[in-house]
Amino acid sequence: AQSVTQLDSQVPVFEEAPVELRCNYSSSVSVYLFWYVQYPNQGLQLLLKYLSGSTLVKGINGFEAEFNKSQTSFHLRKPSVHISDTAEYFCAVSYNTDKLIFGTGTRLQVFP
Amino acid sequence: GAVVSQHPSWVICKSGTSVKIECRSLDFQATTMFWYRQFPKQSLMLMATSNEGSKATYEQGVEKDKFLINHASLTLSTLTVTSAHPEDSSFYICSARDPAGRKETQYFGPGTRLLVL
Repeated sequence: AQSVTQLDSQVPVFEEAPVELRCNYSSSVSVYLFWYVQYPNQGLQLLLKYLSGSTLVKGINGFEAEFNKSQTSFHLRKPSVHISDTAEYFCAVSYNTDKLIFGTGTRLQVFP
Repeated sequence: GAVVSQHPSWVICKSGTSVKIECRSLDFQATTMFWYRQFPKQSLMLMATSNEGSKATYEQGVEKDKFLINHASLTLSTLTVTSAHPEDSSFYICSARDPAGRKETQYFGPGTRLLVL
C-alpha cells in the first residue's frame, strides 16, 4: 500500500543548531515528494517539492531536502534553525495522481 | 503564488445544525479542489475531491450524505456538514490545484476550525 512514514513525532533542537526531519515513502516507479509546514491554527505552506531532476531540492526559509531513490527517503534539513521555525512539518507523496498522501507529521520545537 | 481562502476561519454550532464552509481560489481558476480533515495532533486525511461542474469523489469511509460538497464555479467549492455532531469537530482544510501548473501541486487554504457543542 502507498504510504508515507515520518518516524519522529517530535524533534527538539536548540536555536542555530542543524536539524534533519526524516521521511520515508513506499516505493513506486513514479513519485513526487513534498514538504509542507503548518504553523498553529493555520493551513499548510509548501516548503519545497521534488518532481524530477536534481535530487537536492532547495526550498523557502533555508530548508532543503534530498531525494534518495534507493533508500526511498526524502529527508528535510536546515543547517541552522531559528525560533520561528517551530511548527509542524508534514511530508507528502503523490504517486502520479493529484492525490496527496501525508505523513503523520513531525513537531519541530526550537529552544533558545 | 496562488492564494486559497476559507470562510469562516472559526465556527461553533449546536449539535444537529448544518454548517457550510467555503473555499475560494483568489487569483486563479481551480477545476479541482480537495477537502481534508485534521484531528488534533494528527495528519491530514483526504475526505473528497471536488471537480467543477460534476459530483465530488469521496474517499472510502467518508459519508457523502453527511459531507455535502458543491463546486459550482471555478473559484468556489463548499463543504456542508449536515446535522453536525460533536464527533464532527475538527479542522477542515481545503486545497486547490492550479490547472495552469503541475497537477501534483496543491495550494492550501488556512483552514476552518469547527466545534460542535
